[in-house]
Amino acid sequence: DQQVKQNSPSLSVQEGRISILNCDYTNSMFDYFLWYKKYPAEGPTFLISISSIKDKNEDGRFTVFLNKSAKHLSLHIVPSQPGDSAVYFCAASALSGTYKYIFGTGTRLKVLA
Amino acid sequence: KAGVTQTPRYLIKTRGQQVTLSCSPISGHRSVSWYQQTPGQGLQFLFEYFSETQRNKGNFPGRFSGRQFSNSRSEMNVSTLELGDSALYLCASSTVSGAQETQYFGPGTRLLVL
Repeated sequence: DQQVKQNSPSLSVQEGRISILNCDYTNSMFDYFLWYKKYPAEGPTFLISISSIKDKNEDGRFTVFLNKSAKHLSLHIVPSQPGDSAVYFCAASALSGTYKYIFGTGTRLKVLA
Repeated sequence: KAGVTQTPRYLIKTRGQQVTLSCSPISGHRSVSWYQQTPGQGLQFLFEYFSETQRNKGNFPGRFSGRQFSNSRSEMNVSTLELGDSALYLCASSTVSGAQETQYFGPGTRLLVL
């Protein structure tokens, strides 16, 4: 039972354009969401997070949008740069009950120069 | 501040053996979580330790165990290794448990079981 889903295993975008990575979740108890970026042979690096009390959080080129009714979040990268090429994971957690992060399976982003 | 460190970085074992992986969290972080990453499966939660106590456990068999020491360093042990245990094992730390707290990951230990 995959509670956090990233349905696009890969995405290619031209440099300078917008990259949109999507994530869906099924558990309505999730109230904190994060995006991580992972390069080969390295651990995931935290990018940006959002609490369920917000619907948008912005940090430089990265913006995360949360649609609670649709149980959907997305990460927008504008403008995309070749250095953004990596695997992106979304993760969710719930304060109540068993506290742990549930990760999606990742989306490999390739930014073409 | 130094990041999360994991040792060893690479490990080759054979089926039936056991292995111990080590994780040193960021100074001041008391929560340590372990994850297994395999191709197509994302990061699967193994367990979380906080103040030397296991707080949460994922859906892994009892061959996977862990512990945390008083200095917050953590070890993970896998006994009777199987081919399917080949994966990248990641450790993450945060200052507290059960809060909207960002976890910071180490570089991982890549385990290959032959």
